[in-house]
Amino acid sequence: GAVVSQHPSWVICKSGTSVKIECRSLDFQATTMFWYRQFPKQSLMLMATSNEGSKATYEQGVEKDKFLINHASLTLSTLTVTSAHPEDSSFYICSARDIVRQAAKDTQYFGPGTRLTVL
Amino acid sequence: DAKTTQPPSMDCAEGRAANLPCNHSTISGNEYVYWYRQIHSQGPQYIIHGLKNNETNEMASLIITEDRKSSTLILPHATLRDTAVYYCIVRVPRYNQGGKLIFGQGTELSVKP
Repeated sequence: GAVVSQHPSWVICKSGTSVKIECRSLDFQATTMFWYRQFPKQSLMLMATSNEGSKATYEQGVEKDKFLINHASLTLSTLTVTSAHPEDSSFYICSARDIVRQAAKDTQYFGPGTRLTVL
Repeated sequence: DAKTTQPPSMDCAEGRAANLPCNHSTISGNEYVYWYRQIHSQGPQYIIHGLKNNETNEMASLIITEDRKSSTLILPHATLRDTAVYYCIVRVPRYNQGGKLIFGQGTELSVKP
């Protein structure tokens, strides 16, 4: 149980194009999902909190118009990197909270990550 | 959420127990200790969590001191596949909107043959 998937696992795109990354909770409902970014040899950095049915909450310094987040259902959140540039190349990881099962105590489960390379 | 301190790196021999410490001296009464690990180029994996009692699951054991100011994650028989960065995070469970995790630098565990 508690599986989170991401698609695609890797993507290469040209500078100026937009890229959409999907995050799905496969066996539980997630009213809240989170998006992280990780650069080589660094820890995960939280970008935004995605809440089902409402606007995402972005961390300080993250451009909301560049990183569009949509959480249209209890099992799907999407991150769109708009007008991508080489400096956006990174490892993007999503997570989903299991708040239904009391024993989980608000544990977050992570997707496998998406490696974005912008040429 | 309380701050945690972990050693930046540790080595462990394959087949031996790996004991990863975490200091959280400012932990409050309702904060849980969570452990995750990240194998290279993968998303983090949940390992275990606890409040004050020792916990064990199929992956690891979590030992929390009586004063709750520190904890130890124990991998009883480390294998090469346990080589990863291990993160100790302290936070209050939240059941409404929010509840973000903040990752520190973690401990890079190298399991050697």
